[in-house]
Amino acid sequence: EPEVTQTPSHQVTQMGQEVILRCVPISNHLYFYWYRQILGQKVEFLVSFYNNEISEKSEIFDDQFSVERPDGSNFTLKIRSTKLEDSAMYFCASNAGENQPQHFGDGTRLSIL
Amino acid sequence: DAKTTQPPSMDCAEGRAANLPCNHSTISGNEYVYWYRQIHSQGPQYIIHGLKNNETNEMASLIITEDRKSSTLILPHATLRDTAVYYCIVRVGYGNKLVFGAGTILRVKS
Repeated sequence: EPEVTQTPSHQVTQMGQEVILRCVPISNHLYFYWYRQILGQKVEFLVSFYNNEISEKSEIFDDQFSVERPDGSNFTLKIRSTKLEDSAMYFCASNAGENQPQHFGDGTRLSIL
Repeated sequence: DAKTTQPPSMDCAEGRAANLPCNHSTISGNEYVYWYRQIHSQGPQYIIHGLKNNETNEMASLIITEDRKSSTLILPHATLRDTAVYYCIVRVGYGNKLVFGAGTILRVKS
């Protein structure tokens, strides 16, 4: 069964550094998402992406965050200057379209030191 | 998106059916009910979704009341591997965000 894959599984970065989290969505999917989960808290929506542009973003997704689909397969989340509070699990998801369920990757654990 | 209410935790004996309730009394006519689960810190796993008819797949059954104000997820023969946090989410059926609540912690016990 096709799945969403995320790399790396764990990323350790110094505060203030840039980090790029990578995702390969399911190949025929058209909508892409990033969510995050701070340890012990709820899963929170960050951003959705469709037709090469952001379709919705949350208050968390400020100017330090950006997303890109650089080619036909990858979907990336960049944090320009990381802060301690960016430490979390980051999940990528994708779906094929209306009324279709989102499928999630196993996440990248981001640790900011 | 409509708000959902779920019990914080439930226990179930291994091999028995697990029935997880969800209230969504403010659901709109075009909002679907989705169920996901999260095992430990893995990514949320899609289980099932429906609009107004009952649904069944290889993982579970979804029973939606006629007024659509509540639903029940049924795992017919729970195993230890079904121990997870289960989320009931309602959303409009186009490609937009999922809003996760706290969910129900299901503990399956031998």
